[in-house]
Amino acid sequence: DQQVKQNSPSLSVQEGRISILNCDYTNSMFDYFLWYKKYPAEGPTFLISISSIKDKNEDGRFTVFLNKSAKHLSLHIVPSQPGDSAVYFCAASGVSSNTGKLIFGQGTTLQVKP
Amino acid sequence: EPEVTQTPSHQVTQMGQEVILRCVPISNHLYFYWYRQILGQKVEFLVSFYNNEISEKSEIFDDQFSVERPDGSNFTLKIRSTKLEDSAMYFCASSGRQNYGYTFGSGTRLTVV
Repeated sequence: DQQVKQNSPSLSVQEGRISILNCDYTNSMFDYFLWYKKYPAEGPTFLISISSIKDKNEDGRFTVFLNKSAKHLSLHIVPSQPGDSAVYFCAASGVSSNTGKLIFGQGTTLQVKP
Repeated sequence: EPEVTQTPSHQVTQMGQEVILRCVPISNHLYFYWYRQILGQKVEFLVSFYNNEISEKSEIFDDQFSVERPDGSNFTLKIRSTKLEDSAMYFCASSGRQNYGYTFGSGTRLTVV
């Protein structure tokens, strides 16, 4: 079941540059999307979300873009910092599920080099 | 900042034994979840719980699994007869409302030997 896909297992960027993490989904019933960050031995931490009525949501250094026609979303981190190094998960939910269940992608490991 | 607490952080059990994983969600949250992540794989939904009953469960959540909120603060996941393939990180999460960013606990690493 690959409803949410993160095709890049890893990404390496230089400190201060932009990090772009991508996510694709197949289920057109998804209408709420989230990004989580995860450090080793910790649970996922909520970063930012976007509902399908928007195409952009910004929170500090983090911006999520949603392209519904392409069923694609991306997370931009600007500027990237070494502390951003973690695994980033994209997740999706549908209002129709009525339970808040999230479907996660496989994750992308981001390494920000000083 | 409020947090979701899970205990134990690591549990080793023999195949066929029962295990109970414990969680204390954020006190004013109403929606509770269990997820798991097998090593190297994605985080997978197990079950959601609202108003003292299961609201949705995945096909992973078979008859060997059960959840309980015994005392209004704890939220437990029981695996009745563990199998080797149950070895995973189990994450509890809670939310104040549906379709919102959850708060996850740090997880319990379950190792079945």
